[in-house]
Amino acid sequence: QSVLTQPPSASGTPGQRVTISCSGSSSNIGSNYVYWYQQLPGTAPKLLIYRNNQRPSGVPDRFSGSKSGTSASLAISGLRSEDEADYYCAAWDDSLSGSVFGGGTKLTVL
Amino acid sequence: QVQLQESGPGLVKPSQTLSLTCTVSGGSISSGSYYWSWIRQPAGKGLEWIGRIYTSGSTNYNPSLKSRVTISVDTSKNQFSLKLSSVTAADTAVYYCARGSGSYPYWGQGTLVTVSS
Repeated sequence: QSVLTQPPSASGTPGQRVTISCSGSSSNIGSNYVYWYQQLPGTAPKLLIYRNNQRPSGVPDRFSGSKSGTSASLAISGLRSEDEADYYCAAWDDSLSGSVFGGGTKLTVL
Repeated sequence: QVQLQESGPGLVKPSQTLSLTCTVSGGSISSGSYYWSWIRQPAGKGLEWIGRIYTSGSTNYNPSLKSRVTISVDTSKNQFSLKLSSVTAADTAVYYCARGSGSYPYWGQGTLVTVSS
């Protein structure tokens, strides 16, 4: 069971906007930055969002992150077929003194 | 551009020690203030943080694995390593090395380690 809670699945049609939630606690999301990763099948995770809402160079602005209290969200607008992947949230946990991940959300583009 | 590459046995027997090495290229492992981490992913499951080592050599481990994990760094070879003792089938996973802590902008491609007799 993961420390951060994500819905196991999400879906949308091309062009739609979808959001993926990530719920934590005061020791992780509530007091530290949230990160989002995209994992395509058979590949290593790729950093998508850092420090709650910052995009690394090369990540399209269709991807955005937000955080409020002990929860965070990843939004993908203008959904495209290549966005079909697993998405993970992550944060540092002060109580565990370690990184914690969400269980992952499988995004299907219908 | 920093690149990481995992290496080590793909098959380990139960009760033995899993040993993996991550070779860093495109920069010195001892330059800058970076953490170097190990993360694993069982087939079809999510990511699990194993632990990290700082360039100074200080370490932090996942409490659930702490009694079995050792992460070390060899700056002369630009490598850092993972040892996981007393492995069981539950330790079968793809093991990734990565630079960072929380934020992991650089990852190795991952290596599958199977625990089986």
